[in-house]
Parts: sequence; C-alpha cells; structure tokens
Amino acid sequence: GENVEQHPSTLSVQEGDSAVIKCTYSDSASNYFPWYKQELGKRPQLIIDIRSNVGEKKDQRIAVTLNKTAKHFSLHITETQPEDSAVYFCAAMRTGRRALTFGSGTRLQVQP
Amino acid sequence: KAGVTQTPRYLIKTRGQQVTLSCSPISGHRSVSWYQQTPGQGLQFLFEYFSETQRNKGNFPGRFSGRQFSNSRSEMNVSTLELGDSALYLCASSFGNGVEEKLFFGSGTQLSVL
Repeated sequence: GENVEQHPSTLSVQEGDSAVIKCTYSDSASNYFPWYKQELGKRPQLIIDIRSNVGEKKDQRIAVTLNKTAKHFSLHITETQPEDSAVYFCAAMRTGRRALTFGSGTRLQVQP
Repeated sequence: KAGVTQTPRYLIKTRGQQVTLSCSPISGHRSVSWYQQTPGQGLQFLFEYFSETQRNKGNFPGRFSGRQFSNSRSEMNVSTLELGDSALYLCASSFGNGVEEKLFFGSGTQLSVL
C-alpha cells in the first residue's frame, strides 16, 4: 500500500521567515496531494492541494510543489505569522479510491 | 453551507462495550470516509462509503464497521472496545464523483476507553 513520509517532525521559525515541509510517497499511482492544517483541538483544514498533472500551485502565502519523478512534494509558507502555528499534514491519494494516506505531521511554531 | 457534523463530541466508554458514532456530510456530498487519529499512529484511514456501499477499507479489525444511509449520513460502530481504541475519530466528506476530490473533515468524536 501507499506510504507517505513527512519531514521535519517539528519546525520553529521566526515571524516573517519562510517554512518548508517535505513529503515523499511510495505509490506511483497516487495523483492527488492535499495539505491539511490542524490547530490544537480542531478539525484538519484543507489549505491547498495539487494534482499530478501540475508541478506547482500557489495561494497567497502558501505554495505546493510536486516532483512526480522523485515522488516528492513540498509545502512552502512565506512571510510566516504566529497564526500559522499548527500541525501540518501532507497526504496522498489515488483518484477514485477516496482514501487518504497521511504523513506523520509537522508541528510548526512561529515565534513572534 | 453547513460543514461536516459529527456527534457526539466526546464519549467515555469501558472495555468490552460498543459505541456508535454519527456523521452528517456537507450537503451534496455522497462520499463519507472515517479516520482514526492517535498521537502514536497519526491519521489512519478506516473505511469509505459511497451510495450506501463500503467502497474502500483500511487495515482495521472487523470490530470496526460502518454504514451509510440514503441521505448520505454515516455511522461508525466499534464493538468490544479495547483500551487502544481511545482516539479521535474523524469523518470526512467529498463529492465522490472522481473529478472533485477535496475531502472536508468534521471536528471529530473524542473516544476514551477506560
């Protein structure tokens, strides 16, 4: 089955700096890659997603890149703010299967 | 548009009991999937229902089961509870049409097994 590895497990940055979280997946048939943000005690929130026919996608301060050959995708957050502090999860899915395989999560701490 | 609604928010049970959790998807969403979240194992897929049929299943024992009703609402049941079943159980819904894949999560049911 699919396996998703996520690094780092914790990340501390200063407000205004950039943060990068990286994930690799094992199933070459996976073609949909969402990212979720989960604040303490709250539901995972979809923040951005990318399909395998696209190499990069950007939404304001958040961007995701995908390298299908290397089976690698990354989340980039620029100009970080304290409210970006949360746990971020990457995930992979094969279209039609509707079963996400999640990475282990990255706890991001933005220091004011 | 209302989001995914899960009830109850918290549950405390003892070993050996059974429990039923409920999930109401976003209006128009026909796919409902369930996930278990624990500090040790992270987020793990349990199963997914579409049009009242289980379409996909994760690696969980048969004590974990579910069903979906004609209005797309879903229930999850865990029988013969074990201490290790203590977790946050999350429900997610999507259109399930193979085109729009976005999954939206509910706030979860926090289950504690004593």
